[in-house]
Amino acid sequence: GAGVSQSPSNKVTEKGKDVELRCDPISGHTALYWYRQSLGQGLEFLIYFQGNSAPDKSGLPSDRFSAERTGGSVSTLTIQRTQQEDSAVYLCASSENSGDSYGYTFGSGTRLTVV
Amino acid sequence: QKEVEQNSGPLSVPEGAIASLNCTYSDRGSQSFFWYRQYSGKSPELIMFIYSNGDKEDGRFTAQLNKASQYVSLLIRDSQPSDSATYLCAPRGNQGGKLIFGQGTELSVKP
Repeated sequence: GAGVSQSPSNKVTEKGKDVELRCDPISGHTALYWYRQSLGQGLEFLIYFQGNSAPDKSGLPSDRFSAERTGGSVSTLTIQRTQQEDSAVYLCASSENSGDSYGYTFGSGTRLTVV
Repeated sequence: QKEVEQNSGPLSVPEGAIASLNCTYSDRGSQSFFWYRQYSGKSPELIMFIYSNGDKEDGRFTAQLNKASQYVSLLIRDSQPSDSATYLCAPRGNQGGKLIFGQGTELSVKP
């Protein structure tokens, strides 16, 4: 697609439920990144994919968080047994490659609210 | 020590002035550096990229890099109210891969 597409744009869920967030990167972009941004805070790295593999998943906060990417394209971030502290904007970004000279293009994010 | 440090601001400058935004980083292996602009409620957008020591100019924006001092800055000339946003510094980690974002500096340009 023309840009990075994320869905849903907003999600309100009850504590303890599971949620799935979807990211559709720019066509042909091999690298895909997930970050989250809490209110008034900076961007916290979660995980990145090069193709379908995840060379760096060091930012996933706990084993309740998982992500996958299939076909070198769409990625889903799953949060199990959501907690209130999971409330944040989850941002996905993609780039042509993961090399030094490639910046990211971000999607518009999914605002997750856990009540 | 944080990996990327930025003054959170707010930095307030009058319209037409030069805004100077600064960033220090801890990873000596970082080779490339990105500046993103984030308007309130929006996603970050890439505005500048630099990987060589010295200055890089793009319109009203100039990025400056000093790897020996582990310092990168962004100058905005002839600041406009539309430049009011949070500016995020992001070195790429050693050996490529993810960008490591600072907390950002909030810039306010007053008419």
